[in-house]
Amino acid sequence: EDQVTQSPEALRLQEGESSSLNCSYTVSGLRGLFWYRQDPGKGPEFLFTLYSAGEEKEKERLKATLTKKESFLHITAPKPEDSATYLCAVRSYNFGNEKLTFGTGTRLTIIP
Amino acid sequence: GAGVSQSPRYKVAKRGQDVALRCDPISGHVSLFWYQQALGQGPEFLTYFQNEAQLDKSGLPSDRFFAERPEGSVSTLKIQRTQQEDSAVYLCASSLSEATDTQYFGPGTRLTVL
Repeated sequence: EDQVTQSPEALRLQEGESSSLNCSYTVSGLRGLFWYRQDPGKGPEFLFTLYSAGEEKEKERLKATLTKKESFLHITAPKPEDSATYLCAVRSYNFGNEKLTFGTGTRLTIIP
Repeated sequence: GAGVSQSPRYKVAKRGQDVALRCDPISGHVSLFWYQQALGQGPEFLTYFQNEAQLDKSGLPSDRFFAERPEGSVSTLKIQRTQQEDSAVYLCASSLSEATDTQYFGPGTRLTVL
């Protein structure tokens, strides 16, 4: 069974203070690892998909990286508008499996 | 708007009532998913459609939960005889095809069972 663990559960940073969020996963054949951002009262918003170890993707102040066991979401010089819950999810190659398995998320707060 | 839409956004039900939650996927998207998200948790898979065919319903928690997508577009998630433990946000997501990985989510329906 696919498993995803995210850490820390919550993170408070000063504006401009860079940090990283961790996503550890266990799957029988990784088909894709996904990062989403979720604001209160809204649905998850897609950020990145990573497919193979060593892959990196960037968008504004965010960079996602992938190894064979974990993914990191690096946040550089964050701003208050980056405050949100960041969700990690995996999709495996199990036959007939199309679902995403999510972690519980990291609640990020950026203090002005 | 070209995104996934859901209605109602909020639903309050008395225990034992039946409820129906609607999802309008992005136009042309073949795959449609329902997830349940409890407070402080990540979304959990309920069921998956490819066009009108329900290919995976392994996440439905009981036979009180039923989903349909009769014409391969709009989907409805129905919960019969609601219980307090059904209180959660119900999220709908769609993707272009079964070969396309990115799932785009709607805003969710927050169900509160009193």
